[in-house]
Amino acid sequence: KAGVTQTPRYLIKTRGQQVTLSCSPISGHRSVSWYQQTPGQGLQFLFEYFSETQRNKGNFPGRFSGRQFSNSRSEMNVSTLELGDSALYLCASSLKGSEQYFGPGTRLTVT
Amino acid sequence: DQQVKQNSPSLSVQEGRISILNCDYTNSMFDYFLWYKKYPAEGPTFLISISSIKDKNEDGRFTVFLNKSAKHLSLHIVPSQPGDSAVYFCAASQGGGGSNYKLTFGKGTLLTVNP
Repeated sequence: KAGVTQTPRYLIKTRGQQVTLSCSPISGHRSVSWYQQTPGQGLQFLFEYFSETQRNKGNFPGRFSGRQFSNSRSEMNVSTLELGDSALYLCASSLKGSEQYFGPGTRLTVT
Repeated sequence: DQQVKQNSPSLSVQEGRISILNCDYTNSMFDYFLWYKKYPAEGPTFLISISSIKDKNEDGRFTVFLNKSAKHLSLHIVPSQPGDSAVYFCAASQGGGGSNYKLTFGKGTLLTVNP
């Protein structure tokens, strides 16, 4: 079975721009979660989608949003980028509960 | 407020010996705990988990111990191998692990296993 895939793997954007990241879950997994990893804060939960509905949300500003499509693929959008948004963004899919399977991540650099 | 803490940023052990990675949590609502391993340029890989109704779970060379009264868990790797060198993350969730999809992670411990 193919694992979780994320595109693009690397991205460089300028402050004020917006960005969209994509995630394809493992086949059959309906839950997709997004995490932000930074050196200072570690891995922090952004949000989780299940059957196209956001079920859980972390403590991030409204500039961070997401959606899930009927095929369980998910996108994450960050608007009005700030320097502090530079991070590794990880997507994870799950069939049951907390055992989540992560993709390789998208490295976002904001200049 | 850091609800899951891994107080040792790094740990170095000799090949063949035991590696013990520690994790503390503050939220008494957490009832499901997981360990993930992460290599550079890859996403975290699920290793082993434990429910709060147990105090030990074993899978091959990996054993996780949970001490609920101390709000402490540990991951034992025996014997340690050079391929185990990676960053290990402790994570926790509430809701029994079966229905809660939000994980709270510690900041990780870099394990180096020397040949």
